[in-house]
Amino acid sequence: AQSVTQLDSQVPVFEEAPVELRCNYSSSVSVYLFWYVQYPNQGLQLLLKYLSGSTLVKGINGFEAEFNKSQTSFHLRKPSVHISDTAEYFCAVSPLTDYKLSFGAGTTVTVRA
Amino acid sequence: DVKVTQSSRYLVKRTGEKVFLECVQDMDHENMFWYRQDPGLGLRLIYFSYDVKMKEKGDIPEGYSVSREKKERFSLILESASTNQTSMYLCASRQNNEQFFGPGTRLTVL
Repeated sequence: AQSVTQLDSQVPVFEEAPVELRCNYSSSVSVYLFWYVQYPNQGLQLLLKYLSGSTLVKGINGFEAEFNKSQTSFHLRKPSVHISDTAEYFCAVSPLTDYKLSFGAGTTVTVRA
Repeated sequence: DVKVTQSSRYLVKRTGEKVFLECVQDMDHENMFWYRQDPGLGLRLIYFSYDVKMKEKGDIPEGYSVSREKKERFSLILESASTNQTSMYLCASRQNNEQFFGPGTRLTVL
């Protein structure tokens, strides 16, 4: 079984400041890793994913994440946030040979002017 | 673009009612999923379907059933709604390791 821990439930940040959202996972098998974003009153949208290859993954809207296998982490970063980045962010993992995604509890990012 | 639609954005039902939540995808995906989303718990898998008429229980199937008679449609059924089923319900379909989500149905059971 897999489990995902998002270390911060709420992250307040000022506009144009950098932000990092932390995600750790545990799994006995190799996994794919994902970050999803949920804007208010909407479904989830994929930000980025790690399947294989380079451990630094770039996604949409200026986000990037780094896979660290030894620390079983997949932290999400953005160097300069906008008001429109206010949303809930979910980290998720999926075993290579399974359909299922396991999600973290989510991190709410609130960007202030 | 992949489109996943859900029949209602908001739904209010009474305890004991039978509730149907419908999900339709337009990209011929084989795999479809139903999740519920609760604050502080993230998304939890209720059921998934890997093909027409095929289904498998997820992590929290109790109190729910599903139906998949056609490839594009996956229905979640609450046989007798209870107040602890008040939640946001999200449907997804999957292709190439990526899941595509619908907008969600916020269900309130009174």
